[in-house]
Amino acid sequence: AQSVSQHNHHVILSEAASLELGCNYSYGGTVNLFWYVQYPGQHLQLLLKYFSGDPLVKGIKGFEAEFIKSKFSFNLRKPSVQWSDTAEYFCAVAGAGNTGKLIFGQGTTLQVKP
Amino acid sequence: NAGVTQTPKFQVLKTGQSMTLQCAQDMNHEYMSWYRQDPGMGLRLIHYSVGAGITDQGEVPNGYNVSRSTTEDFPLRLLSAAPSQTSVYFCASSYSFRLAKNIQYFGAGTRLSVL
Repeated sequence: AQSVSQHNHHVILSEAASLELGCNYSYGGTVNLFWYVQYPGQHLQLLLKYFSGDPLVKGIKGFEAEFIKSKFSFNLRKPSVQWSDTAEYFCAVAGAGNTGKLIFGQGTTLQVKP
Repeated sequence: NAGVTQTPKFQVLKTGQSMTLQCAQDMNHEYMSWYRQDPGMGLRLIHYSVGAGITDQGEVPNGYNVSRSTTEDFPLRLLSAAPSQTSVYFCASSYSFRLAKNIQYFGAGTRLSVL
């Protein structure tokens, strides 16, 4: 069965610290990968996505993620976090040929202290 | 464009009551879906629709009904609410059901409490 695992459930950082959120997936085929962000009181927004090509993808607000196929991973990174990055982050996977099944990880709550 | 609109934003129900969560999109999207979000469990797919008149079950469909009579609307019905259905519900839509290369757009969510 397809699954997505996010290792860190709650991360607390100080402003300017570097961020890396882990995401591993289990899927027996070609995948497309997403990171969504949910700011407090808001709906989910797409942060970045990987479909094919360069495994290092850049998203909005200085975020990037690297797809490592051999490790089934799609970790999210940001060199220097800001207080406004406080949010919940979700990794999600869709099989390349699927119809209707976007599988989400459990989510990681990031708290950035000013 | 308003995007994906969900109503109501908050709702409190008593066990056994019924209600419908509304979802509408104005982007002429083919695909619509409902998720529930619970702490530590991420988002789980309840039901989805790949077009008007077509619906299918997701991971956690029990206790919920859906219909898709128009492209724009995808209501989620709770026929007899249970405390286990206390959650935040998100509706999402996508241009195509081929989610592999299509981005899902989410509504603002409905926070439901069942007492």
